[in-house]
Amino acid sequence: GNSVTQMEGPVTLSEEAFLTINCTYTATGYPSLFWYVQYPGEGLQLLLKATKADDKGSNKGFEATYRKETTSFHLEKGSVQVSDSAVYFCAHPQGGGADGLTFGKGTHLIIQP
Amino acid sequence: DAGITQSPRHKVTETGTPVTLRCHQTENHRYMYWYRQDPGHGLRLIHYSYGVKDTDKGEVSDGYSVSRSKTEDFLLTLESATSSQTSVYFCAIRGASSYNEQFFGPGTRLTVL
Repeated sequence: GNSVTQMEGPVTLSEEAFLTINCTYTATGYPSLFWYVQYPGEGLQLLLKATKADDKGSNKGFEATYRKETTSFHLEKGSVQVSDSAVYFCAHPQGGGADGLTFGKGTHLIIQP
Repeated sequence: DAGITQSPRHKVTETGTPVTLRCHQTENHRYMYWYRQDPGHGLRLIHYSYGVKDTDKGEVSDGYSVSRSKTEDFLLTLESATSSQTSVYFCAIRGASSYNEQFFGPGTRLTVL
C-alpha cells in the first residue's frame, strides 16, 4: 500500500546550518510529491511540490528533487533560520478518484540562534 | 489563502456527547477532506467529499459521519464522542490543478474528557 517514511526528530540545528530532511515513499506509479510545513498552532501550508520524475520543487530557499530510482523526495535548505522552526510533512496522493493524501509522521525542526 | 474556515477552533466535551465540526470554503471547490492529526501518526484521512451529497470513507472513518448539503460546507460529526477521538481536526480542499495539492484550514482542537 501507499506509505511515506520520514525521520520524526526532533532535529535540532544551529542557525545558518545546512538542512536535510529525508523522505521516502511507496506508491503505485509516479504520484505528485509534496512538502508541507506547520508552524505552531497553525494549519499545514504547502511548501513545495514536484509532479514528475527529476522535477525540483523550490520555495523560500527550500528545495526537493523527485527521485524515482530511490523513491525519495528529500527536503534541503542551505542556511536555516530560527523562523524555519516548524514541523515538516512529506506527502503524496493516495491514488483513486478523490485522492486523499498519505502523509509521513512529520519531522519537528528546531533552529537555535 | 484558500478561504477555508473551521468552527469551532477549540472544543472540550464529555464522552458520549455528539459533536459537529464545520468546515466552510468560499471558493467553490468540488473536493473537500477531513483529516485528524495525532502525535506519531501524521495526518490521517477520515472522510472526503467529491460533490454535494457525495461522500466516502477514508482510512480512519469508524465513529465519524459527514454531510455536505452545500458546496461550501462540509460537516464532520462524532455521534458519541470517545476519548480516542481527542485530536486536532483539519479540513482541506483540493486545488484547481490536476496534481491534487490540498490546502488546509486552521484546525479544530477537540478534547473529549
